Amino acid sequence: QSVLTQPPSASGTPGQRVTISCSGSSSNIGSNYVYWYQQLPGTAPKLLIYRNNQRPSGVPDRFSGSKSGTSASLAISGLRSEDEADYYCAAWDDSLSGRGVFGTGTKVTVL
Amino acid sequence: QVQLVQSGAEVKKPGASVKVSCKASGYTFTSYGISWVRQAPGQGLEWMGWISAYNGNTNYAQKLQGRVTMTTDTSTSTAYMELRSLRSDDTAVYYCARVSVAGDLHFDYWGQGTLVTVSS
Repeated sequence: QSVLTQPPSASGTPGQRVTISCSGSSSNIGSNYVYWYQQLPGTAPKLLIYRNNQRPSGVPDRFSGSKSGTSASLAISGLRSEDEADYYCAAWDDSLSGRGVFGTGTKVTVL
Repeated sequence: QVQLVQSGAEVKKPGASVKVSCKASGYTFTSYGISWVRQAPGQGLEWMGWISAYNGNTNYAQKLQGRVTMTTDTSTSTAYMELRSLRSDDTAVYYCARVSVAGDLHFDYWGQGTLVTVSS
């Protein structure tokens, strides 16, 4: 079972802003970096945000990440049809001798 | 360009073992590690563990300890993940991903995934 909690779904019309939350604890988000991945249907995940708020080259600046305490969020501004995908947050967890943990995932639908 | 190419789909019976390969190219293999992530049908992502391609150090998810072994062959720039005593709930797509160091979840390149089906 996932340690990081995300809403199962989010939606918006083209051009709108959508925000996805990721709730964790002091042993993961509270003390380590947060990463965000986008997974299009039938494909491998793609790194979207690293170290809380950094974008890899090639990722549009419509995507932004933030972190506060034991929670993090991903914002998608100027929503586009190609943004329809599953989104996962991830963080290292210092419990149980250290492990990677992913969020439960959020399906973003563009209406 | 960096590429991770995984082996093909597998069908296994409960109790059997599976070994998935991940061949890397386009970068210095020993300068990075490889993590394995799996995804059951219709489910989320699960971190399985990490191996350093430099010295073979590993860190496995506690729930898989004793059943999983990750190895590398630096002569062929290939990483392997072996899972033993397979159960039906091991049915999943297994991904390898490049990562810099242990404790990092910065997966910048991924393999295409390998579907492992466990069924009697």
